[in-house]
Amino acid sequence: AQSVAQPEDQVNVAEGNPLTVKCTYSVSGNPYLFWYVQYPNRGLQFLLKYITGDNLVKGSYGFEAEFNKSQTSFHLKKPSALVSDSALYFCAVTLGGYQKVTFGTGTKLQVIP
Amino acid sequence: NAGVTQTPKFRVLKTGQSMTLLCAQDMNHEYMYWYRQDPGMGLRLIHYSVGEGTTAKGEVPDGYNVSRLKKQNFLLGLESAAPSQTSVYFCASSYRAGGHNEQFFGPGTRLTVL
Repeated sequence: AQSVAQPEDQVNVAEGNPLTVKCTYSVSGNPYLFWYVQYPNRGLQFLLKYITGDNLVKGSYGFEAEFNKSQTSFHLKKPSALVSDSALYFCAVTLGGYQKVTFGTGTKLQVIP
Repeated sequence: NAGVTQTPKFRVLKTGQSMTLLCAQDMNHEYMYWYRQDPGMGLRLIHYSVGEGTTAKGEVPDGYNVSRLKKQNFLLGLESAAPSQTSVYFCASSYRAGGHNEQFFGPGTRLTVL
């Protein structure tokens, strides 16, 4: 069975500082990994994905994520946080072909002015 | 291009009442999904559809039924609502399931069952 862990319920960071939101996964096979963001009272929006190739993936709004196969991690990063980045972030994993997507429980990011 | 839309946005039901949630997408996506979101539990898949006329169960299908009579629409039904079904419901669609295709989500329906 596949699973995703987001070990932090909430991450607080000062505006302008770098941010990291952690994600680890467990699958039997090569994973496809995603990050989504959810703003209050909205649906999830796709940020970025790792399929294959370069371990560093760049996405929307200046976010990037690094795939680390040995540590089974896919942490989301941004060099300089904005107050507008405050939202709920979800990591997700799936396998190739048709396999269901498993979402993490979400991490609330709070950027403090 | 409206993307994925959901109707209604809010609903309050009494235990035992029934209702249907409508999801529509205008992106010609093959795959559609219904999730529920509960605090601390992330998103859980209720039912999904891999094409017009086909549906399948997800992780938490009990108490729900779905239909996909048209490619662009995916309906979620609650035949006899229970307080445990109080949740936020999200519909999503993707060009294909799994693989490298991200999902596009609707704005959600907040359902309260009293």
